[in-house]
Amino acid sequence: NAGVTQTPKFRILKIGQSMTLQCTQDMNHNYMYWYRQDPGMGLKLIYYSVGAGITDKGEVPNGYNVSRSTTEDFPLRLELAAPSQTSVYFCASSSIADEANEQFFGPGTRLTVL
Amino acid sequence: AQSVTQPDIHITVSEGASLELRCNYSYGATPYLFWYVQSPGQGLQLLLKYFSGDTLVQGIKGFEAEFKRSQSSFNLRKPSVHWSDAAEYFCAVGAFSGGYNKLIFGAGTRLAVHP
Repeated sequence: NAGVTQTPKFRILKIGQSMTLQCTQDMNHNYMYWYRQDPGMGLKLIYYSVGAGITDKGEVPNGYNVSRSTTEDFPLRLELAAPSQTSVYFCASSSIADEANEQFFGPGTRLTVL
Repeated sequence: AQSVTQPDIHITVSEGASLELRCNYSYGATPYLFWYVQSPGQGLQLLLKYFSGDTLVQGIKGFEAEFKRSQSSFNLRKPSVHWSDAAEYFCAVGAFSGGYNKLIFGAGTRLAVHP
């Protein structure tokens, strides 16, 4: 049981490039999330999904897109990368059966846009 | 609006000393409360959570937290800190908003431990 896995661990992009951050969970969780973490700012929710085929915006969705074709995978797409997207990105998942919504986090992807 | 405040950005303690990390929240109903720890270069690991029952919650690694409704607080404590506890600690409140359960995080407290 690997939990939540993310790839890549690190990536450097040039302004205007695009990339996809991968996230997979093997806990059969319904809910999945993407956060970004900036220094001194805590975690901000980018997008979330309550199940395959269903996604919605969080607090800071601009410049990102997501899809959820399977229960396990929740990729995050950056189009036209900008320096403001330099951050650490975390994927998380939780079970619909958990009233407290405990979220399980992946190890993160550190992205730098130059 | 829901929010979480961690008043201390950085805290330094000596190894073996006691620790208390503060967390205050703003939420209209009975909250679900969490403490996560993030070691350097790692993801977030759940230390403990509160959602009902006993207001003193025990977690992993010898940590505990106490929910005080009257003070809207959920402070994290450890009686004797180890060097391996150096990390960043995040308090979070679970809130149902916009049709889903979400976590609202504080800005974090970075803990340094002196030998």
